[in-house]
Amino acid sequence: GNSVTQMEGPVTLSEEAFLTINCTYTATGYPSLFWYVQYPGEGLQLLLKATKADDKGSNKGFEATYRKETTSFHLEKGSVQVSDSAVYFCALSDKDAGNNRKLIWGLGTSLAVNP
Amino acid sequence: GAGVSQSPSNKVTEKGKDVELRCDPISGHTALYWYRQSLGQGLEFLIYFQGNSAPDKSGLPSDRFSAERTGGSVSTLTIQRTQQEDSAVYLCASSGSSYNEQFFGPGTRLTVL
Repeated sequence: GNSVTQMEGPVTLSEEAFLTINCTYTATGYPSLFWYVQYPGEGLQLLLKATKADDKGSNKGFEATYRKETTSFHLEKGSVQVSDSAVYFCALSDKDAGNNRKLIWGLGTSLAVNP
Repeated sequence: GAGVSQSPSNKVTEKGKDVELRCDPISGHTALYWYRQSLGQGLEFLIYFQGNSAPDKSGLPSDRFSAERTGGSVSTLTIQRTQQEDSAVYLCASSGSSYNEQFFGPGTRLTVL
């Protein structure tokens, strides 16, 4: 079945450091890939997405490229800020026979950025 | 409304009691999902509604869990005879796009004592 594996946290960085959070997936079809973010005390928000191979999703300085050959969707940011401290979730959605595009989630990676 | 809303935001109940959790999706969104976020276990899919089609209940963990969606809009998740392992944050999401960009509500934190 479909699954998502992302690197375990917590990740602690200093401000302006480079961030990579690894995410790999297993899917039978051609899934769409997502990164969601959950800031402290807030709900899940879509950060970025990619719907086909070689697509690059980007938002708020974050980027992730859909790599079909390595089944990966690693999240990167060149210079993190304290305000990026949050939990990041990698997810995939793949339409099943019933047209259900439920999201399959990684376990989340907690990021703490220190000033 | 502007986004997905859920109520209550917090619910504390005693083991064995029934609870109802409500979700108001974004107006016009035809797809509605319920997920559960448990400590240390990540998010898991519970149930999916799409328009007037029969719901996909494949993620419901037991027959104590049920959900309905009235008029293609508001949804209620019901947990009967709650157990301590039901304690979690229950999240609702709605979607109106073919690429399944799901918009999440703030969640209901359920604590079963």
